[in-house]
Amino acid sequence: QSVLTQPPSVSGSPGQSVTISCTGTDVGRYNRVSWYQQPPGTAPKLIIFEVSNRPSGVPDRFSGSKSGNTASLTISGLQSEDEADYYCGSYTTDTRFFGGGTKLTVL
Amino acid sequence: EVQLVESGGGLVQPGRSLRVSCTGSGFILGDYAMGWVRQAKGKGLEWVGFIRHKGYGGTAEYAAAVKDRFTISRDDSKSIVYLQMNSLKIEDTAEYYCSRWGSTSFEAWGQGTQVTVSS
Repeated sequence: QSVLTQPPSVSGSPGQSVTISCTGTDVGRYNRVSWYQQPPGTAPKLIIFEVSNRPSGVPDRFSGSKSGNTASLTISGLQSEDEADYYCGSYTTDTRFFGGGTKLTVL
Repeated sequence: EVQLVESGGGLVQPGRSLRVSCTGSGFILGDYAMGWVRQAKGKGLEWVGFIRHKGYGGTAEYAAAVKDRFTISRDDSKSIVYLQMNSLKIEDTAEYYCSRWGSTSFEAWGQGTQVTVSS
């Protein structure tokens, strides 16, 4: 069973940068990590796929990277509307799975 | 514009069945694998299962928590994906999201449908 571990919460002030980590034993082996943003009361939205690629329409303030078995989502120029839950995800041939989620608070 | 709309959620007693649907528009649903993800109130995202598109056999895979109780099927002619849930348990209570799998990620999501299992 693949597991992705995220910190429960992070916070930052407007204009600052924050980084959310996602650690898993297979993260370093493949470029399969994606990131999802879920503001309160809304459905999740894909913001990063294949570690570092942004779908069309996602601001370039959102960036993804990977080092060893840890993937990271960095949000620069923090804005109040970035306050949300963030989930990393990955997959195998037969399964999909998510990290436990990180709540981002904009102070 | 890609849209996914779930329907069919509601209140159901433990041990009973329920089928929820997901209707896609703005794209050819038959060209994509489709998945279901659920979220209990105040909890994280939990993958439920997915169904491959016909080009890859149209077969489905399931999370251990729902395997042998839930079945995903698709009617590409109607652009609909179904989640048939049998032998429902209280712990199946959640918001159920339909999502389009874009080969490496869930790239489009519906707004969700609430399923509540309670006596």
